[in-house]
Amino acid sequence: EVQLVQSGEGLVQPGGSLRLSCVASGFTFGSYAMHWVRQAPGKGLEYISAITSDGGSTFYADSVKGRFTVSRDNSKNMLYLQMDILRPEDMAVYYCAKAFGGGDYWNLFDYWGQGTLVTVSS
Amino acid sequence: EILMTQSPATLSVSPGERATLSCRASHTISNTLAWYQQKPGQAPRLLIYGASTRATGVPARFSGSGSGTEFTLTISSLQSEDFAVYYCQLYNNWGAFGQGTKLEIK
Repeated sequence: EVQLVQSGEGLVQPGGSLRLSCVASGFTFGSYAMHWVRQAPGKGLEYISAITSDGGSTFYADSVKGRFTVSRDNSKNMLYLQMDILRPEDMAVYYCAKAFGGGDYWNLFDYWGQGTLVTVSS
Repeated sequence: EILMTQSPATLSVSPGERATLSCRASHTISNTLAWYQQKPGQAPRLLIYGASTRATGVPARFSGSGSGTEFTLTISSLQSEDFAVYYCQLYNNWGAFGQGTKLEIK
């Protein structure tokens, strides 16, 4: 059974940092791209970051570029999102998600983590 | 940038009736269109991909159709568990999502 279990939830002041983690099981983690999607309170889904299966390439939405860093450790089946210079507008539930496959399916998400709430407030 | 627009924002339908949700692309797209269902407090769930292919375990009452710029998710006979928010996604264009349609009980 595929599982993505997230951790790292927290309250942080504006300008602060937080690292989210996502541990994967039930599939060959190192064979799939992984992604981060967030959802502000009462709002829709915003796709914010991606990392290739080997970690060699990363991608970011303009809203987080230069402040967030995605990484992975395939030996530990771990995905990370380092969030720096946090802003109030970054407050959201953050989801990790597994790519369905390669090619056109790279940005299609077939499994999701349970979500992690990040609160940015002074 | 291709924008995905969903309509209506809220749809009120009675259990047992049919629901039709729309997703429009700002430009003609391929069939790399997906639909997700999200219930309160839960992560989204993949329902449909390739515009019309049901994901594993998705009931047959869910169907997707469309091409070009107009896509539709149809739920043939609404069950209580189907009342949720539905998002479309163009997954070969940065994976942008539509803004969602809330399907509520009438």
